[in-house]
Amino acid sequence: DAKTTQPTSMDCAEGRAANLPCNHSTISGNEYVYWYRQIHSQGPQYIIHGLKNNETNEMASLIITEDRKSSTLILPHATLRDTAVYYCIVRVAPGNTGKLIFGQGTTLQVKP
Amino acid sequence: GAVVSQHPSWVICKSGTSVKIECRSLDFQATTMFWYRQFPKQSLMLMATSNEGSKATYEQGVEKDKFLINHASLTLSTLTVTSAHPEDSSFYICSATGTGFVQPQHFGDGTRLSIL
Repeated sequence: DAKTTQPTSMDCAEGRAANLPCNHSTISGNEYVYWYRQIHSQGPQYIIHGLKNNETNEMASLIITEDRKSSTLILPHATLRDTAVYYCIVRVAPGNTGKLIFGQGTTLQVKP
Repeated sequence: GAVVSQHPSWVICKSGTSVKIECRSLDFQATTMFWYRQFPKQSLMLMATSNEGSKATYEQGVEKDKFLINHASLTLSTLTVTSAHPEDSSFYICSATGTGFVQPQHFGDGTRLSIL
């Protein structure tokens, strides 16, 4: 699975949009981009995933560049409860029961 | 839907004892379960992958005789830390998935293990 690069930490003001970048320049054509987050002392929580089109759900939006070498997770109106470590992971298609490899992620601190 | 329950959530025990952690999929059949370990301020590290009815596949550097994994049914996997020592103190997290799932894995809330 392709390696990802994320900033170590980011701050965001409460109520503003949080934009979390991820570089995955070696992504293969059959690999999806997945985002998980981990709130302190809990298990990771799935956020969203995509292949090449932009995706949106009730939690976030995922913007993938046309060359697929990078993506951005957008939390449109960040709250204090969104403070967490956010992990960007690339791996093969949904439905595959293969493993997830977590990098160091981005620690997002949402401030009042 | 797709809830994964882990038990216990927190355990303290003496050095040399064995500790068993359970991971259950409550509302789906988990063909594959994963076990992770996480030290403070570090990321999750995959320890092993287990498929129901088969022997677990361990990641490089993980002692299979130290961390015994059993996946005897489609809803239950157990991790036993044998002869635990203080360096085994960590946050252990399981995850589960089934065929046809969109999300790669559903995670439990973890077990914090402290060895005195």
